[in-house]
Amino acid sequence: RKEVEQDPGPFNVPEGATVAFNCTYSNSASQSFFWYRQDCRKEPKLLMSVYSSGNEDGRFTAQLNRASQYISLLIRDSKLSDSATYLCVVKPVANTGFQKLVFGTGTRLLVSP
Amino acid sequence: DAGVIQSPRHEVTEMGQEVTLRCKPISGHDYLFWYRQTMMRGLELLIYFNNNVPIDDSGMPEDRFSAKMPNASFSTLKIQPSEPRDSAVYFCASSPREETGTHYSNQPQHFGDGTRLSIL
Repeated sequence: RKEVEQDPGPFNVPEGATVAFNCTYSNSASQSFFWYRQDCRKEPKLLMSVYSSGNEDGRFTAQLNRASQYISLLIRDSKLSDSATYLCVVKPVANTGFQKLVFGTGTRLLVSP
Repeated sequence: DAGVIQSPRHEVTEMGQEVTLRCKPISGHDYLFWYRQTMMRGLELLIYFNNNVPIDDSGMPEDRFSAKMPNASFSTLKIQPSEPRDSAVYFCASSPREETGTHYSNQPQHFGDGTRLSIL
């Protein structure tokens, strides 16, 4: 089983739609979670961190469900510019020191006019 | 502000040749990461450094791959000899040190533009 699993999509939605992605992780001790965005042929960029109580940044809402070990990203009022691949990222907890981030393979979103 | 700088942007070479990828992290960042991205496997961490010291190289595929960080502003990833299955996009990323008193990652990783490597 992969450490971080995502539906690859693509999710095809019209402008203005609401779309949600889920991501599951296998390490129950993981403590840090993020969503990164990657445009076609570009580098990944941090979209938002995911906090235990859930958090919102404009049209984007991220939530964490520790019991079920999944993270979600909700995008409201989709824009054409939201078309990208969304990477779910998990950092396994470490007793000491820093540990690597584990990236999902990404969910592709296509927003059409 | 200058971001993470990678070179070359594109590299096409024949199998068996040595390939050297270069990275200049953001000034002041303590951590440097090398990733490889393919359609099949996504983004995979190859190795990372903390203060120029390699910390975890468990992701390096085999002995043909090596990475160095001779100083805080420069790192290389070398493949020798290269093989067609090494074709991928290679990203370098850097991040600042973690804030003290936390056990979680609160610093984002900043990625370079990547090197698109094709081994014929």
